[in-house]
Amino acid sequence: GAGVSQSPRYKVTKRGQDVALRCDPISGHVSLYWYRQALGQGPEFLTYFNYEAQQDKSGLPNDRFSAERPEGSISTLTIQRTEQRDSAMYRCASTGLAAANTGELFFGEGSRLTVL
Amino acid sequence: GIQVEQSPPDLILQEGANSTLRCNFSDSVNNLQWFHQNPWGQLINLFYIPSGTKQNGRLSATTVATERYSLLYISSSQTTDSGVYFCAGGENYQLIWGAGTKLIIKP
Repeated sequence: GAGVSQSPRYKVTKRGQDVALRCDPISGHVSLYWYRQALGQGPEFLTYFNYEAQQDKSGLPNDRFSAERPEGSISTLTIQRTEQRDSAMYRCASTGLAAANTGELFFGEGSRLTVL
Repeated sequence: GIQVEQSPPDLILQEGANSTLRCNFSDSVNNLQWFHQNPWGQLINLFYIPSGTKQNGRLSATTVATERYSLLYISSSQTTDSGVYFCAGGENYQLIWGAGTKLIIKP
């Protein structure tokens, strides 16, 4: 697509429920990133894919968080047994470059998660 | 790890004014980018600028890699320039983000 597309834009869930957030990167972009942004702060790195391979998941807060990108395009970030502290804006970004991993980051509009 | 400091934290200007935002890094970086988060929450890439100078309309940026800082210049400010400006830098994909500069342009 023309830009990075994320869904849902807003998600309200009850504590303990699982949520899945979807990201569709710019067509042809090799690298895909997930970030989390708390109100009033800059984005925080969660995980990163080159094609379908998860290259770095060091930013995932704990084992309730997981991400996949099975066909090297669309990615899903899953949060199991959500907690109130998981409430945040979850942002996906993509870049065209794989080898250097230094290309311009293009962000989607984000998925705002609220856990009650 | 690398630390990123942005200044000033807040800036209020009248429409038409010029401004300079600064980003300092504690160590050398090979990836440095400036972003604008508008009041609707969209995060937009302004510049990918690990070194040198770039210009895009009323915005320009300069990075002096040897001295570990980058500057973002906004000329003839418009109300649509309001929002938070972030710089992010690091090695390859591992970007560290500054706390941002909150810019308010008054009509």
